[in-house]
Amino acid sequence: EPEVTQTPSHQVTQMGQEVILRCVPISNHLYFYWYRQILGQKVEFLVSFYNNEISEKSEIFDDQFSVERPDGSNFTLKIRSTKLEDSAMYFCASYREGEKLFFGSGTQLSVL
Amino acid sequence: GESVGLHLPTLSVQEGDNSIINCAYSNSASDYFIWYKQESGKGPQFIIDIRSNMDKRQGQRVTVLLNKTVKHLSLQIAATQPGDSAVYFCAERGYQGGKLIFGQGTELSVKP
Repeated sequence: EPEVTQTPSHQVTQMGQEVILRCVPISNHLYFYWYRQILGQKVEFLVSFYNNEISEKSEIFDDQFSVERPDGSNFTLKIRSTKLEDSAMYFCASYREGEKLFFGSGTQLSVL
Repeated sequence: GESVGLHLPTLSVQEGDNSIINCAYSNSASDYFIWYKQESGKGPQFIIDIRSNMDKRQGQRVTVLLNKTVKHLSLQIAATQPGDSAVYFCAERGYQGGKLIFGQGTELSVKP
């Protein structure tokens, strides 16, 4: 079965630092997403990306967050200045019409 | 606002019994519903989906029922096995390519 790949699996950073979470979506997929899950809570939508632009974003996705698809294969989430409350598992997902939405295995971000 | 919620946070069943996990949703315009299984430290894994024009769909050992009248979704797992122990999330989508809204999750525990 095809896979969404995320790196790194764990990221530890200091408060105020910038982090970039990386994802390689499934190659023929056209819709890309970032979700996050705080420990013990439900999965929350952050942003969706289609046709090289953000199609929808949640209230969580403020101006400290940005996404990019720099080279046609990678899809990145950048947090400009991390806060303690950004600590969570971040999931990338991708989708193509007529197929399932696939999730990656996540990046556990810990902000100290 | 939109919300998807689960009736029970935990469910404990005996190995070999059938499990039923329930979900209520509030957006009557949602066109698509999915059940995901999440094991500790992993991303959501697709189990089964159903479109809003259906009321039942069966997979291997799993059945999803959709009752649009009362906005209720359920997941039935037949002959539950220890490997089925995980957190199960329902999710809804408003339109093709749109974001998923997840419920809180039900933790299924299977006793041998």
